[in-house]
Amino acid sequence: NAGVTQTPKFRILKIGQSMTLQCTQDMNHNYMYWYRQDPGMGLKLIYYSVGAGITDKGEVPNGYNVSRSTTEDFPLRLELAAPSQTSVYFCASSYISNEQFFGPGTRLTVL
Amino acid sequence: QKEVEQDPGPLSVPEGAIVSLNCTYSNSAFQYFMWYRQYSRKGPELLMYTYSSGNKEDGRFTAQVDKSSKYISLFIRDSQPSDSATYLCAMSVQQGAQKLVFGQGTRLTINP
Repeated sequence: NAGVTQTPKFRILKIGQSMTLQCTQDMNHNYMYWYRQDPGMGLKLIYYSVGAGITDKGEVPNGYNVSRSTTEDFPLRLELAAPSQTSVYFCASSYISNEQFFGPGTRLTVL
Repeated sequence: QKEVEQDPGPLSVPEGAIVSLNCTYSNSAFQYFMWYRQYSRKGPELLMYTYSSGNKEDGRFTAQVDKSSKYISLFIRDSQPSDSATYLCAMSVQQGAQKLVFGQGTRLTINP
């Protein structure tokens, strides 16, 4: 099992550009999450999903969108990128248990 | 006031020392308490998980939860250089789809 995979690993965007961060898990987990981690800070929840077709906002959803068409994939869309979205983005998944498994992260810089 | 407060450190101790990491929180509804370890440029990995108050031990690691004081701790015995990482506390109100609230993390270095 690959676990949780994220692409790309790094990306530099210009202000106003858009992009999609990809997240895939092969553990058949029903719950998936997107977090952002700013330097020296903990993680903040952006969006989460309890299953295909069901998503909900977390603590910091503004400027982001998500979709969940399959159990495996949970992409995060950034529209009109802003410097405040410079961060490291982590995707995670979990099953009924409470352990969330995290991907390796995507480092995003918006200039 | 942040919902979860964690001393960011950095904390540097000699190999073999006992390490104590702590978090305080303000939301009395938190029921599930976790400690994650994050190596540099990696994703967090779950280290310890506890429900409600009490202690839990796993090898060299002990997690304590005191809900009356809204205070949780992680103790590392016989610390090793491989324990050098950032330690994040995290909490949630519910099971299932857990909306975790994280502390800012404590950066720990174990010196050989």
